[in-house]
Amino acid sequence: KNEVEQSPQNLTAQEGEFITINCSYSVGISALHWLQQHPGGGIVSLFMLSSGKKKHGRLIATINIQEKHSSLHITASHPRDSAVYICAAPYYGGSQGNLIFGKGTKLSVKP
Amino acid sequence: KAGVTQTPRYLIKTRGQQVTLSCSPISGHRSVSWYQQTPGQGLQFLFEYFSETQRNKGNFPGRFSGRQFSNSRSEMNVSTLELGDSALYLCASSLAQEGDGYTFGSGTRLTVV
Repeated sequence: KNEVEQSPQNLTAQEGEFITINCSYSVGISALHWLQQHPGGGIVSLFMLSSGKKKHGRLIATINIQEKHSSLHITASHPRDSAVYICAAPYYGGSQGNLIFGKGTKLSVKP
Repeated sequence: KAGVTQTPRYLIKTRGQQVTLSCSPISGHRSVSWYQQTPGQGLQFLFEYFSETQRNKGNFPGRFSGRQFSNSRSEMNVSTLELGDSALYLCASSLAQEGDGYTFGSGTRLTVV
């Protein structure tokens, strides 16, 4: 059983739609990371959050530590948002580098 | 400022050979972590180095090793390559302080034939 679960695995949306990707985790964590991976492999760190909500442009990430759940929202989605979105959590008490990753959500936004 | 640089970008090796991958972190970042990504297993943590010391290690065989130099650049080595080692190898650097995030490199895609 993966300690970090993401849903959905695949998501297809029309341009302009509001998108939500969910992440649940069973490990104790100090912070949760949201990553974006475009075709070709490069990974970009979108957010690191330990409580509440963070916003960057059209991206919003929320986390509920008690419920061990985080969501990534994309408002007014655009084809350039098409990518794999991955959430990752460090082991409780572990070093920063020791991340456990979800399997990723492949998002495709159609024009 | 320059990002995290991984070299080479692509590599083809034969079973049984060994390979060395390089990662240059962002200037000032002292922590470098390595990850393996395969279609079947997804992203998995390999090891983390901080100030030339391995701070943590994932669940990989001893064929996978690494080191970090005084300038924080890191190398990882895989000996006696197996077909299953074909993967995208990513490194990420961090200041390794509370609240810091990661900056990832573009990865090295290793193909073992």
